This record gives sequence, C-alpha cells and structure tokens, in this order.
Amino acid sequence: DGGITQSPKYLFRKEGQNVTLSCEQNLNHDAMYWYRQDPGQGLRLIYYSQIVNDFQKGDIAEGYSVSREKKESFPLTVTSAQKNPTAFYLCASSRDRASNQPQHFGDGTRLSIL
Amino acid sequence: GQQVMQIPQYQHVQEGEDFTTYCNSSTTLSNIQWYKQRPGGHPVFLIQLVKSGEVKKQKRLTFQFGEAKKNSSLHITATQTTDVGTYFCAAPRSYNTDKLIFGTGTRLQVFP
Repeated sequence: DGGITQSPKYLFRKEGQNVTLSCEQNLNHDAMYWYRQDPGQGLRLIYYSQIVNDFQKGDIAEGYSVSREKKESFPLTVTSAQKNPTAFYLCASSRDRASNQPQHFGDGTRLSIL
Repeated sequence: GQQVMQIPQYQHVQEGEDFTTYCNSSTTLSNIQWYKQRPGGHPVFLIQLVKSGEVKKQKRLTFQFGEAKKNSSLHITATQTTDVGTYFCAAPRSYNTDKLIFGTGTRLQVFP
C-alpha cells in the first residue's frame, strides 16, 4: 500500500535540543515538502525538495534544516534555534515539479516543548 | 507576496443545511486545489480545477472556478456529520511551480 509515513507521531523537545522528524514515501514521487500547522491555522511551507540532493527554503525555514539523500526520504531537523517549535508538522509529496500535481500528506508529527 | 484568502473562518450548521466556503486570490491562478482535513488528521486532496468557469461535482460537493480564475468555491448540499473538518483551497504560487500556497481554511462543524 503506497503512502507517506511520518514518525514519530508525538515528539517532545527539551530546551536546547535538536530533534529530527522522519518522512518516508514509497510513491516514487520526485517532490517532497515540509509544512508547519499551528492550531486553527493554515499550512506554512518550511522546506521543499524537487529532486534528490536538492532542496530549497520555504517561507519559514529559520531554525529548521533538511536533507534529501534518497528519493524516498526527506527528514526535517528542528534545531535549538527554533524558539517556538510547538506545532503540527506535515510532510507531503507530489509526483513531480509540475504545477498541477496534488500533494499527498503523511499523518503528521505533533511536536511539543518539555 | 501572493495570498489566498478564504472565508468564512468558521461555519456551524445544522445537519441537512448547506455550506459554502469561498477562496479569493488577487492574482490569476493556473489551477486551484481543494483539501479536507478531519479533526486530528492530515489534509486529503479532494479535487483540482483548471479551466475558467469550471464546475465539478463529487456527490454532495460542488466545486467552482471563477471565470477570471481568481476565485473558487466549495458548496456542500445537505451537510452530514461526516462533513466535519477544515476545508482548504490551495494554488500554485506561480504558473510553473509545484509549490502551493494554502488558504487559511474554513472549519465546518455540523450539529446533528
């Protein structure tokens, strides 16, 4: 069954700690995205990658980092520089970089500060 | 930068009543997509509209794309409790990009 898997579902971060959120897809999609969703808000783009070994900053990249070493994987690290990390993080993918492709989302990771 | 405004922010309806959410952009859009996010869940793609004036239906849901391709609407006829969730519109940031800008969403609550 094809899809996007995000882990963990819940994550707690201590002060000064970096944490990494996992995102894996078996849809053979080229493009992958990370969004942040705050309560009652829309989705804001953190980082995106249109192809392996390439990624670009989105609207709110400060305090975050990513890598795209494999097509299937696009992990997001929330660094200690992100002072307000509590949010719902969603990973998505789309077939390619064309503008008419729907995005498929994972179940998300809820990150909280301890 | 480009913004996609969505109204209303919240809508509470009695089961059986109709519901409409509207999405507006200041710029012409190449296409518009609609997603539904159930409470505690993730956005799920519903439909994409591409042509000026296009109308598409999915059972009780009717999606429209404006003639000028700057606005869109989602109408639900005779809401059911299963329609509860937040409905987002999303559009490409420019004509040749896969990056979407999402509307602020309309949260629908249906009372039985």
